[in-house]
Amino acid sequence: QVTLRESGPALVKPTQTLTLTCTFSGFSLSTSGMCVTWIRQPPGKALEWLALIDGDDDKYYSTSLKTRLTISKDTSKNQVVLTMTNMDPLDTATYYCARVLDYYDSSKNALDIWGQGAMVTVSS
Amino acid sequence: QSVLTQPPSVSGVPGQRVTISCTGSSSNIGAGYDVHWYQQLPGTAPKLLIYGNNNRPSGVPDRFSGSKSGTSASLDITGLQAEDEADYYCQSHDDSMEGVFGGGTKVTVL
Repeated sequence: QVTLRESGPALVKPTQTLTLTCTFSGFSLSTSGMCVTWIRQPPGKALEWLALIDGDDDKYYSTSLKTRLTISKDTSKNQVVLTMTNMDPLDTATYYCARVLDYYDSSKNALDIWGQGAMVTVSS
Repeated sequence: QSVLTQPPSVSGVPGQRVTISCTGSSSNIGAGYDVHWYQQLPGTAPKLLIYGNNNRPSGVPDRFSGSKSGTSASLDITGLQAEDEADYYCQSHDDSMEGVFGGGTKVTVL
């Protein structure tokens, strides 16, 4: 059974750095094409794609947020970590991680399994 | 503003057919990247509904179908049911290899 779970602080102050961890099971990032993606959703608003990492440590970032984002992985722990610097109240959102079966095959690069999400509030 | 454009809302009575459009550009859908669709029930994480333009994961009812043409895609729900009331998002990729989402469409069953 494939599962992903997000963890991190529920509350951060403006200008602080957010660190979120996605712990997954049931699959290996070492499998060719397999990736983990981060997505966020502000309250009442649309989904926003943030970043992605594959088993070869290739990384892709949202053009609008790439100066603030860093994605990394710890394959031995089955974890993917997202850091976002200089947090602002507009970054208040539910942050999701999700699996991608094969990022380099357009017909298979859907987000097929999602975590339950972690709500992060940015407030002083 | 989302990269892909969806209508904010659509509605229908039970049994009706509704269609949700998703319009992109020559750098994403029009560049040949496949479109995927997600259903988000209130208070829950999104769930994959359609992948690769028109494929249903195991367990998704066949009343959901997708198509793609040019720079647009669409999701059809035939035989609308009360449990289909949810938000629906389209998603693709663009030439910069980043993912892009639509703004979401709220489906209301009257």
